[in-house]
Amino acid sequence: GESVGLHLPTLSVQEGDNSIINCAYSNSASDYFIWYKQESGKGPQFIIDIRSNMDKRQGQRVTVLLNKTVKHLSLQIAATQPGDSAVYFCADVNQAGTALIFGKGTTLSVSS
Amino acid sequence: DTGVSQDPRHKITKRGQNVTFRCDPISEHNRLYWYRQTLGQGPEFLTYFQNEAQLEKSRLLSDRFSAERPKGSFSTLEIQRTEQGDSAMYLCASSLGTGDISNQPQHFGDGTRLSIL
Repeated sequence: GESVGLHLPTLSVQEGDNSIINCAYSNSASDYFIWYKQESGKGPQFIIDIRSNMDKRQGQRVTVLLNKTVKHLSLQIAATQPGDSAVYFCADVNQAGTALIFGKGTTLSVSS
Repeated sequence: DTGVSQDPRHKITKRGQNVTFRCDPISEHNRLYWYRQTLGQGPEFLTYFQNEAQLEKSRLLSDRFSAERPKGSFSTLEIQRTEQGDSAMYLCASSLGTGDISNQPQHFGDGTRLSIL
């Protein structure tokens, strides 16, 4: 069925390190994926998206990698900062192509 | 601020009461979505509008829930006869596009947190 999940519920890193947050999906027909960052008390904030015809996309300090063979995507954050501390969600699109399906999220903690 | 705006930010009410939330999307965004998020979980889709037309409703949207977008701009979500299980964050998102939703990403508001006593 449709489901998007993350491998680890929590990730702790030191400031300045690179962070990698992983996500597995089950719908092999998914053709659009999106990463959101959610800080406490706020709504999800768009970070980056990727379509299935790509395997890599870069933004400012972030890179998303998509491996369709094993149905896995990852979010890489370079030079992680304390302000990056938040819950990160990956999402794909439901079969009707009308709504996002979110995973449970990974809590990233960055220590100085 | 030109982002998605939701009101109120917090709502506390007694079980059995009716509540209504409002969402103002980003200006000119033709698509509007409602999601529900419980503690420790990702948002779950409730319903979606394209302009004023409600095009899809999740099975999570029981008959106690109703959403409207009368002029294709702001939207309201009403819950009648609230129950304990309705306690959650209700998130609104908007996007601009036609066809598949992957045309444009959805942008979320900061939600309305509902607590049922």
